[in-house]
Amino acid sequence: EAGVAQSPRYKIIEKRQSVAFWCNPISGHATLYWYQQILGQGPKLLIQFQNNGVVDDSQLPKDRFSAERLKGVDSTLKIQPAKLEDSAVYLCASSLPGGGVAFFGQGTRLTVV
Amino acid sequence: AQSVTQPDIHITVSEGASLELRCNYSYGATPYLFWYVQSPGQGLQLLLKYFSGDTLVQGIKGFEAEFKRSQSSFNLRKPSVHWSDAAEYFCAVPYSSASKIIFGSGTRLSIRP
Repeated sequence: EAGVAQSPRYKIIEKRQSVAFWCNPISGHATLYWYQQILGQGPKLLIQFQNNGVVDDSQLPKDRFSAERLKGVDSTLKIQPAKLEDSAVYLCASSLPGGGVAFFGQGTRLTVV
Repeated sequence: AQSVTQPDIHITVSEGASLELRCNYSYGATPYLFWYVQSPGQGLQLLLKYFSGDTLVQGIKGFEAEFKRSQSSFNLRKPSVHWSDAAEYFCAVPYSSASKIIFGSGTRLSIRP
């Protein structure tokens, strides 16, 4: 069974530039999450989708972060404009609906310079 | 509010020695509890989970964890560590479902040859 796919693996951008990350969840997983993991910390939930609808985006900095899951399958997370403090690993995870265990992708490591 | 605390930031043990990583949680009801491992440059992999029933849970790679309600703990153990166990370990508890989770700050495990 294929796991959660994320791309790119690494990205370096200058501050004030924009960047987008892509995630393809495990087939059949209706629930999708984006987490931000700053160096030395545990992952922090940014946004949760159920199919193509947002369930929880209370911790998403909406002035600069946006995410979509238009067809209820893959998802993109965008940052515009990026700040130095956005440097982190962005992890995508998916699960079956109803509270199953979450499976994580390898993440995208973003460095903002 | 739900929370999870990992009091040890970094632990070093000798190869072949036993290991115990501490996790304390705060949760209103009987919690789901998880341990994830993150190897360098990798995503998070589920080691084991506790949902209900037997308080001693067996996981992958020879790990086990014991749920102790009286101590609000879910410590991870392994009788004999291998050099490949060097990684970051995260304890996690759900926000509201088993897949939407709050992570602890992590414990970095180093193995001494």
